Amino acid sequence: GENVEQHPSTLSVQEGDSAVIKCTYSDSASNYFPWYKQELGKRPQLIIDIRSNVGEKKDQRIAVTLNKTAKHFSLHITETQPEDSAVYFCAASWGYGGSQGNLIFGKGTKLSVKP
Amino acid sequence: EADIYQTPRYLVIGTGKKITLECSQTMGHDKMYWYQQDPGMELHLIHYSYGVNSTEKGDLSSESTVSRIRTEHFPLTLESARPSHTSQYLCASSGGPGQTLEKLFFGSGTQLSVL
Repeated sequence: GENVEQHPSTLSVQEGDSAVIKCTYSDSASNYFPWYKQELGKRPQLIIDIRSNVGEKKDQRIAVTLNKTAKHFSLHITETQPEDSAVYFCAASWGYGGSQGNLIFGKGTKLSVKP
Repeated sequence: EADIYQTPRYLVIGTGKKITLECSQTMGHDKMYWYQQDPGMELHLIHYSYGVNSTEKGDLSSESTVSRIRTEHFPLTLESARPSHTSQYLCASSGGPGQTLEKLFFGSGTQLSVL
């Protein structure tokens, strides 16, 4: 079955710096890779996702890159702000012909942005 | 407003009690899930359902049971709670009209403490 490894488990950056979180997956059939953000005491929320036919996707200060050959994908946050402090989860799943596998989550990265 | 509702938000009970965690969604979603989130942040899938009268076990073995009698309702029951069941339980749903199954929307969670 699929296994998703996420690194680092904790990350501390200064406000304005960039933050990068990396994930690797094991199942080459996986073709959907979302990132969820969970602020303290709140529910996880989808912030960006990417499919295997795309190498990079950006949304304002966040971007995700995918390397299918190496089976890894990364979340990049630029110009970090204190409100970016949260736990970030990567995930992977497959979907073909109307069938959809369940998301397999990484263990999470706790990002702290210091003012 | 379309959302996923979980009750109670917090629950403290004694060992041996039977409990039911409620989850209802007004998103119009077909698929629903229960995740257990431990203090180390990791999300573990314990149950999911494709629709009415469909229930499946997830990746993490759980002593809890679920039912899906109505599309919008997916309660989780523990027949005899133990301290090892202390955790946060997150309900999620996906797969509404015009949407894919892979994008999960989470409820706010129930924090369960068994004494």
